Amino acid sequence: QSALTQPPSASGSPGQSVTISCTGTSGDVGGYNYVSWYQQHPGKAPRLMIYEVSKRPSGVPNRFSGSKSGDTASLTVSGLQTEDEADYYCASYAGNNFDVFGTGTKVTVL
Amino acid sequence: EVQLVESGGGLVQPGGSLRLSCAATGFAFSNSWMTWFRQPPGKGLDRVANIKHDGSEKYYLDSVKGRFTVSRDNTMNSLYLQLNSLRAEDTALYYCARGLTAAAFDIWGQGTMVTVSS
Repeated sequence: QSALTQPPSASGSPGQSVTISCTGTSGDVGGYNYVSWYQQHPGKAPRLMIYEVSKRPSGVPNRFSGSKSGDTASLTVSGLQTEDEADYYCASYAGNNFDVFGTGTKVTVL
Repeated sequence: EVQLVESGGGLVQPGGSLRLSCAATGFAFSNSWMTWFRQPPGKGLDRVANIKHDGSEKYYLDSVKGRFTVSRDNTMNSLYLQLNSLRAEDTALYYCARGLTAAAFDIWGQGTMVTVSS
């Protein structure tokens, strides 16, 4: 199973929006509404930001939103803040109790 | 406090073994699917193994099948990962996490480092 494809980097100025894509196939992203997004700061554990394409766990700011179209999912961070600078990973269910993760995107707040 | 705490990592020679532990507090461990992940230095995440709440189902990453074994003790609120026949490519930070829904893991430990080197 191949990793989901994410752009290596993305950036924006404080207050702006940034959108990260996550491209898979009909066997994972396109086939299930089980796409999640994780934020990981250096030296820290991943934090769940979005699950089931667009749901936010409690405590996650509503600046974070998720969507999906076909085989591509997206995470949008609106009103960028300095603390949003981190690595972001997508993940998708791929059937047969298997999950596949994305290659990761480093978000820089300029 | 909701928490997962891993332990048991270390430096081991190729072919050696380690047993990782993950202690859970603050949530219904016995009702939760639990998962082990790993992250090689500077790289992304891989799901290594997961186990159903009652231990009746277990799933493994292809590259660790036959070498790693996941288990749990619900009376001790603990998750384990036995790592045998270790290889250099198993070097990584190993995390345990609670499954929320498919591909969603909402509680993570701080990780324990496994280094396989002679």
